[in-house]
Amino acid sequence: QKEVEQDPGPLSVPEGAIVSLNCTYSNSAFQYFMWYRQYSRKGPELLMYTYSSGNKEDGRFTAQVDKSSKYISLFIRDSQPSDSATYLCAMKLGITSYDKVIFGPGTSLSVIP
Amino acid sequence: GAVVSQHPSRVICKSGTSVKIECRSLDFQATTMFWYRQFPKQSLMLMATSNEGSKATYEQGVEKDKFLINHASLTLSTLTVTSAHPEDSSFYICSARGTSEVQQFFGPGTRLTVL
Repeated sequence: QKEVEQDPGPLSVPEGAIVSLNCTYSNSAFQYFMWYRQYSRKGPELLMYTYSSGNKEDGRFTAQVDKSSKYISLFIRDSQPSDSATYLCAMKLGITSYDKVIFGPGTSLSVIP
Repeated sequence: GAVVSQHPSRVICKSGTSVKIECRSLDFQATTMFWYRQFPKQSLMLMATSNEGSKATYEQGVEKDKFLINHASLTLSTLTVTSAHPEDSSFYICSARGTSEVQQFFGPGTRLTVL
């Protein structure tokens, strides 16, 4: 079983739809959870960062962490064509330099105008 | 957020040559830098982690003599692909993190094509 699993998609939605992106993980010791957006041929850009369980909202984006289920989600409201990208979930155990970030494989999202 | 730059953004070279990629943190001091490799439609694969002034720690399966990493200052790390071969063609991305930071900030990536 991979440490972090993510449906690769592609996911295609009409403009304005609510998008739900999800990851599951196997290591219950992960404490820090992140979502990155990566446009084609570019480096990943940090979107959301959460610690432990709960929700965090930033504009049209909401990140949810359910540690009991080992499941994290990213919701995008009122999706726009500019949201078309690959979304990578990521997580780590702690904040020391020895704690590696483990990335999911990414979900490719297309928002159709 | 913090800015990380990479140079060059794209390089094409002949088999057997060496290629150096630079990664710079522009507005913060990066105590730790990471080098990743990404194949098309795949996730980021960590190659090595380097702390300023120390030798890099390589992931299992990554040849340290082939992928030379130098992190000589708090704002600059370099990755040199020595004697590059076509199978080294990939997208190389660096990322940097400051002291006591959780987030990593990524560079824009370097597309390496070895002919």
